Amino acid sequence: GIQVEQSPPDLILQEGANSTLRCNFSDSVNNLQWFHQNPWGQLINLFYIPSGTKQNGRLSATTVATERYSLLYISSSQTTDSGVYFCAPESGNKLTFGGGTRVLVKP
Amino acid sequence: GAGVSQSPSNKVTEKGKDVELRCDPISGHTALYWYRQSLGQGLEFLIYFQGNSAPDKSGLPSDRFSAERTGGSVSTLTIQRTQQEDSAVYLCASSVGLASIYEQYFGPGTRLTVT
Repeated sequence: GIQVEQSPPDLILQEGANSTLRCNFSDSVNNLQWFHQNPWGQLINLFYIPSGTKQNGRLSATTVATERYSLLYISSSQTTDSGVYFCAPESGNKLTFGGGTRVLVKP
Repeated sequence: GAGVSQSPSNKVTEKGKDVELRCDPISGHTALYWYRQSLGQGLEFLIYFQGNSAPDKSGLPSDRFSAERTGGSVSTLTIQRTQQEDSAVYLCASSVGLASIYEQYFGPGTRLTVT
């Protein structure tokens, strides 16, 4: 099956900093989603992004499907951005999740 | 509108007992998915339904696990003779249609603890 690698595994940011999270996947995919898992465990949809670039407030994402990677940008980070970020490419009508990037934003 | 709901939110059971976990998808969503999140395995796919049919059961870890969906809506995941390694958070998701085309939305999960 498809392999998904996320980097870095852990990230500590000072409030206000910018950062980039990366997701590499091993096979061609039809779509890809980014999620934020909050401290209560809820998976919150951030982006549905099979290709191209999308922006939502301080967050943006880019997927280059031909090169099998996706990037999530966090700008002007806030403490509420803390949590685990997962990318999940779709293959065979199911999502395969990476190991996540655990983000801690310090005030 | 209402999101995906799951019940119970927490379940503690003794090893060897059977448990049933319930998922109510977003109204009108034809596709429904079960995933499991555990410390050792991360987030992993279990099974998905299109309508009441399950085209892909490849993620079910053993024959102790089964799932059904009725009326194209509610789904139940049943674990028989629970083992300690079944302890995990069980997540349900739904989408308008197939995941190859449509975004999945997740419920809050059921935390299962097998003692």
